[in-house]
Amino acid sequence: AQSVTQLDSHVSVSEGTPVLLRCNYSSSYSPSLFWYVQHPNKGLQLLLKYTSAATLVKGINGFEAEFKKSETSFHLTKPSAHMSDAAEYFCVVNAGGFKTIFGAGTRLFVKA
Amino acid sequence: EAGVVQSPRYKIIEKKQPVAFWCNPISGHNTLYWYLQNLGQGPELLIRYENEEAVDDSQLPKDRFSAERLKGVDSTLKIQPAELGDSAVYLCASSLDRYALNEQFFGPGTRLTVL
Repeated sequence: AQSVTQLDSHVSVSEGTPVLLRCNYSSSYSPSLFWYVQHPNKGLQLLLKYTSAATLVKGINGFEAEFKKSETSFHLTKPSAHMSDAAEYFCVVNAGGFKTIFGAGTRLFVKA
Repeated sequence: EAGVVQSPRYKIIEKKQPVAFWCNPISGHNTLYWYLQNLGQGPELLIRYENEEAVDDSQLPKDRFSAERLKGVDSTLKIQPAELGDSAVYLCASSLDRYALNEQFFGPGTRLTVL
């Protein structure tokens, strides 16, 4: 069985400060992991994906995530938040059976 | 190139009425997904198609929901009859194929309100 847990439903940061969105996963197989972003009234967009190549994955808009097998984590980070980063972020796992599981989401607020 | 197209964007109906959603995936994408997204939650898979074959419909409530992808291109998701609890956003996504490596491309969704 596989599952994904996003540890924070809401995260609030000031513009220019670092962003950390936390994700833990559970999988019986070696997983593929993704982060998607959803802006209001827009479709989900892929930020980055991990597919067992490099453990540190760089994505679009300055985001990156590190796969830590020992901690079963795939946290999303960005060194400096921008107002345009305010959105809902979803951690996603796909491990065997081609079934994709989304986390519940973390809403990121960015204060001026 | 056009992305995943969904229509309508918004739909308001009364309970017990039927409703249908349409999705046109990205050209050349063999795999098509329908997801349900409730407010404040992540999307949940309803059904996945490989070309015209439904290969994972275990989460589709078959007593009232149906879907088709007759020619392996566009797809329709139907609810009949709709219930109050069906109010949600229905997302369509497509990918080149079913493998875990491949990114899913999402449409903007159809927001359904059942009164």
